[in-house]
Amino acid sequence: GQQLNQSPQSMFIQEGEDVSMNCTSSSIFNTWLWYKQDPGEGPVLLIALYKAGELTSNGRLTAQFGITRKDSFLNISASIPSDVGIYFCAGQNTGGGADGLTFGKGTHLIIQP
Amino acid sequence: DTGVSQNPRHKITKRGQNVTFRCDPISEHNRLYWYRQTLGQGPEFLTYFQNEAQLEKSRLLSDRFSAERPKGSFSTLEIQRTEQGDSAMYLCASSPGGAEKLFFGSGTQLSVL
Repeated sequence: GQQLNQSPQSMFIQEGEDVSMNCTSSSIFNTWLWYKQDPGEGPVLLIALYKAGELTSNGRLTAQFGITRKDSFLNISASIPSDVGIYFCAGQNTGGGADGLTFGKGTHLIIQP
Repeated sequence: DTGVSQNPRHKITKRGQNVTFRCDPISEHNRLYWYRQTLGQGPEFLTYFQNEAQLEKSRLLSDRFSAERPKGSFSTLEIQRTEQGDSAMYLCASSPGGAEKLFFGSGTQLSVL
């Protein structure tokens, strides 16, 4: 089945630093999504990418859909304490009735003040 | 609060018992999804409904699992004869369209002793 490799697994950074994380897949996706999950809560959608090469921003967050459709990255600029959490990439392929997302294992972001 | 609501938030049960979880989606959303998440992993797709019709089931959904959405509104997920391997966070999500627009609930944390 499809697998997503997300890296790094965890990041320890200082407040104010920029963050970069990425996700690669063994197969092509039509849509890439980035979620953030806080402890004890469900994931919350940050950014959705629908076209190969697309670059999309949401405040301090920027994400890109790789041109091969097998990868995506997420950047966070000028990190703040509330950015702490687990960031997941997810890929979607539709067709044949399939509508589930495939998630990566997450990048755990820890910020030291 | 008009978000996705899941009950209970926590459930502790003994191996072999049956458990049932409930999900109330955002009212105007016609799609409802169930995911399972274990520690250190991303959410894994289980099944989804379009209104009351169950349209897709993952291989993870063994015969001991059954999900219903009888009136196209709330949904229940039942696990019969629970096993220790069923211990996980069970996440429900709803969407006004496809899986690229998911709104997750806070999940039900199941512990099987």
